[in-house]
Amino acid sequence: GENVEQHPSTLSVQEGDSAVIKCTYSDSASNYFPWYKQELGKGPQLIIDIRSNVGEKKDQRIAVTLNKTAKHFSLHITETQPEDSAVYFCAAQKGPPMDYKLSFGAGTTVTVRA
Amino acid sequence: SQTIHQWPATLVQPVGSPLSLECTVEGTSNPNLYWYRQAAGRGLQLLFYSVGIGQISSEVPQNLSASRPQDRQFILSSKKLLLSDSGFYLCAWRTSSYEQYFGPGTRLTVT
Repeated sequence: GENVEQHPSTLSVQEGDSAVIKCTYSDSASNYFPWYKQELGKGPQLIIDIRSNVGEKKDQRIAVTLNKTAKHFSLHITETQPEDSAVYFCAAQKGPPMDYKLSFGAGTTVTVRA
Repeated sequence: SQTIHQWPATLVQPVGSPLSLECTVEGTSNPNLYWYRQAAGRGLQLLFYSVGIGQISSEVPQNLSASRPQDRQFILSSKKLLLSDSGFYLCAWRTSSYEQYFGPGTRLTVT
């Protein structure tokens, strides 16, 4: 099956600085890569995703990059704010017939220091 | 717009008691539905998924079962809870473009 590794496991940044989380995946058949933000006691929230035909995608202060050759993708958060503090999960999904299942990374706890 | 509901929000149950968690989705038809479990401080473990009424696939053999009696209703059950069943249970639905959206979750504590 697909194996997704996520680093770092914890990340502390000063407010206003950037945060970067990196994930690698094992199966070159994976073609969809979402990122989730989970606040304490809540369900994960889809914040951005990227598909294998795109190298980079931005949405305001967050961006995701994908390197298919190296099989890794990253989440970039710029101008971090205290409300960015949360656990972030990356995930990868294959195409059919295995397209029902997301394989998740172990998560990164991001703390933004005021 | 689509909305996903889960209840109850929190539950404390003794070992050996039964369990029933419910998930419903509004605003979409024939969604793929999922049950996940998240242990404290851990990642997401897929338990069951369903592509339609009465169609359930299990990812991990364990003390739990799932049913889908209606198109937008997904139920997670157990006949006898174990201590190890404690965790945060999340329901999710998937769009035709692969996006998965999670519900608010149920915090289950087995005592």
